[in-house]
Parts: sequence; structure tokens; C-alpha cells
Amino acid sequence: DVKVTQSSRYLVKRTGEKVFLECVQDMDHENMFWYRQDPGLGLRLIYFSYDVKMKEKGDIPEGYSVSREKKERFSLILESASTNQTSMYLCAHRGAFTRETQYFGPGTRLLVL
Amino acid sequence: KQEVTQIPAALSVPEGENLVLNCSFTDSAIYNLQWFRQDPGKGLTSLLLIQSSQREQTSGRLNASLDKSSGRSTLYIAASQPGDSATYLCAVSSGNTGKLIFGQGTTLQVKP
Repeated sequence: DVKVTQSSRYLVKRTGEKVFLECVQDMDHENMFWYRQDPGLGLRLIYFSYDVKMKEKGDIPEGYSVSREKKERFSLILESASTNQTSMYLCAHRGAFTRETQYFGPGTRLLVL
Repeated sequence: KQEVTQIPAALSVPEGENLVLNCSFTDSAIYNLQWFRQDPGKGLTSLLLIQSSQREQTSGRLNASLDKSSGRSTLYIAASQPGDSATYLCAVSSGNTGKLIFGQGTTLQVKP
């Protein structure tokens, strides 16, 4: 069974706090992704990483950064959380080739007060 | 810029009915198309993946077709059950990174 673990299912933070969301996969996959999902806007790509220490901006990177120090772990960082970052955050991973399936984690629902 | 549209946004059917969900995309230069299921408050579960060279894929009561030239895909669900109630998302993989572009989803309710 494919296993993708996200550090928290629910998280409540205050405006201005630094927030870390972690994602761990056990399939030794090269590619990892962070999306956010909002009603009416669907899923949008924030950042992705195609290898350790490598990253690329997605469609909405503003206000976020990422870290990939180990192949299995991909962290999303909100440097200074704001209320408009309240959302569902989904991590995904995929093997080396674009033809492969993306596997998604259970999601973290973040509320910023 | 690739755009993905799903119609209808919501669908309610009685149990046992066969149904079709639609997905369209604007740029036919895709690697593959993937259908996902999402239960409320949960992550995405991959249902079917169709490569750009394929026409359809089947898994149990699900059948997905792909017409790349017209930019369309359909997900056919046979003999629907209340357990099929969920949001179904279509996504295409394109660009040199193969990132996924998602549709807004179709929320399906199957009534007993």
C-alpha cells in the first residue's frame, strides 16, 4: 500500500506565526508536490521538488517556502501565516516519469486566526 | 495555458443508475489524464490513469475514456451505489514537469 503521511490533520495557528507542514512518503519517489485546495478555486500547485534540495515554484508560491533535505520528506513553510492561508493543504508524490500516477496524502486543514 | 473544466458541478442520482461525468481540457499536449475521488475532508484517491496514447481504462465498475484530439474525457460509473457518493476530480498532466492541472470537480450523490 502506498503511504503518504502528513504531520497533522488539523492545525490552528495565529496570524504571524511560522508554520511547518510536513509530508513523508515511503516509495522512494523523486517528485513531491504541495497543493492547496479552496472552495471554488480547486487544487492549485504551490511548490514542487524533483530531487533532494531541488525545488520549483508552482502557480501560487507567494507567502510559502519549501525544504527538501531528504528524499522522503518535503516540508511546506508559511513564514508568517496570514488569514488568507486558511485552507486544505495536500501533499503528493510521483516517480521519476511524467506518465506515472500522483499519490496524495490525507491533507492538513489549516485555520489561521 | 491549460484549463480543465468538469461538468456538471453536482449530480444526484438514484442507486443503481449508470452515470457519466465529463471533463474537458483546452490543450491537447498532455502526458496523461487522471481521475480521482475525494471524500469530504479527506485526501485524493487515484481511480484511473489514462496515458495520452490510450483511449480508455477500466477498473471494476469504472470506465474512463480519453479523446485527446477533442480535449475530452468521460468517467462512466456503472450501477451506482450510495458508497460512490463523493467528489470526482479530473486532472491532466502536462508541461515539462508533468504537473497536474485540476478541474473543479463533480460532487456526486447516490441516493438509496
